[in-house]
Amino acid sequence: EDQVTQSPEALRLQEGESSSLNCSYTVSGLRGLFWYRQDPGKGPEFLFTLYSAGEEKEKERLKATLTKKESFLHITAPKPEDSATYLCAVQTHTGFQKLVFGTGTRLLVSP
Amino acid sequence: SQTIHQWPATLVQPVGSPLSLECTVEGTSNPNLYWYRQAAGRGLQLLFYSVGIGQISSEVPQNLSASRPQDRQFILSSKKLLLSDSGFYLCAWSPQRDTQYFGPGTRLTVL
Repeated sequence: EDQVTQSPEALRLQEGESSSLNCSYTVSGLRGLFWYRQDPGKGPEFLFTLYSAGEEKEKERLKATLTKKESFLHITAPKPEDSATYLCAVQTHTGFQKLVFGTGTRLLVSP
Repeated sequence: SQTIHQWPATLVQPVGSPLSLECTVEGTSNPNLYWYRQAAGRGLQLLFYSVGIGQISSEVPQNLSASRPQDRQFILSSKKLLLSDSGFYLCAWSPQRDTQYFGPGTRLTVL
């Protein structure tokens, strides 16, 4: 069974304090790994798609990386507006292209 | 650009009442459409997906059904709501075999 585990469940940072969120996965065959940001009461907002080990993508203060077993979302010098829940999901080659989501990491950045 | 709409934004319904949630997508044609449910403390769970008009696939046996009467319209329904149907319902769309983009969601509370 395809599984996605995100850690930590919650993370509190001071503004400017860099850190990383982890997404480990067990899948039969990875087609893609997706990162989303979700603000309270809103739908997830797409951030990145990674397709192969070694791939990296960046957007403002966020950088996503991928290995054969996990992905990291690095947040450099975060600001309070980066506070949100960050969701990781995997898509496999088998069957329909559904996304299997982790339960997310709640990030709080204090000024 | 593409836009996805969901309504209503919030809904409070008694147990045993019917349900109809609507999702529409603008700015694209023949999208794949999805219904997810997000329960507190749990990851997003795929409920239904559709690759075309009248084509619905169910991922999880439940008290809900879905229909796609038009290319860019996706409806989630129930004849009789259960307490366990409460949650945050998200509609998503994707180009064929690509990233999924989520709508703003509907918060459903069944009392």
